[in-house]
Amino acid sequence: AQKVTQAQTEISVVEKEDVTLDCVYETRDTTYYLFWYKQPPSGELVFLIRRNSFDEQNEISGRYSWNFQKSTSSFNFTITASQVVDSAVYFCALSEGAYRSNAGKSTFGDGTTLTVKP
Amino acid sequence: DARVTQTPRHKVTEMGQEVTMRCQPILGHNTVFWYRQTMMQGLELLAYFRNRAPLDDSGMPKDRFSAEMPDATLATLKIQPSEPRDSAVYFCASGSGQSGNTIYFGEGSWLTVV
Repeated sequence: AQKVTQAQTEISVVEKEDVTLDCVYETRDTTYYLFWYKQPPSGELVFLIRRNSFDEQNEISGRYSWNFQKSTSSFNFTITASQVVDSAVYFCALSEGAYRSNAGKSTFGDGTTLTVKP
Repeated sequence: DARVTQTPRHKVTEMGQEVTMRCQPILGHNTVFWYRQTMMQGLELLAYFRNRAPLDDSGMPKDRFSAEMPDATLATLKIQPSEPRDSAVYFCASGSGQSGNTIYFGEGSWLTVV
């Protein structure tokens, strides 16, 4: 069974601070995908990043960066120099291998609510 | 700009009424999901389809909920009869093997049952 844990329910920072959102996952599969989604106050769920289990390279996209460590089963998300517009609920998700019968079925964490104050 | 389209965006209905939510997945995506989001339960997977065939609807209350894919461009989620506890945001999402299991969400249908 797969499981995603986002231990931080809420985080509050002041603008320009860096913030890291934690995600720990469990799976017995060797092939899997990890995702981060953003849900701003408007309600839609926006895809941010996908990482497959064979690619442990960290990724940076502007102020966003992701740190994938298989040794600790973690896929953490860091926002550098946070802005008010980053305020949202962030979800981490896990999907097992593409060739499984349940491929594409994603398990989501409970989300972390990030509030960035001006 | 390809996106998942959901209708209605907002629905207020009285208890006991039938509610139908519709979803048009991204063209070419062969997997469609229905999720429900509430404050208490978070994001719950209700049902999903691959190539229009239902794969898993174990998250769906069978007595009042039904999900179908009449064709590749339309997925429906029906609640009959609706109850106040069904009030939630219902998201449709679609994906494909080519998208590396990434699923893309619609904007959601905000349902209030009074």
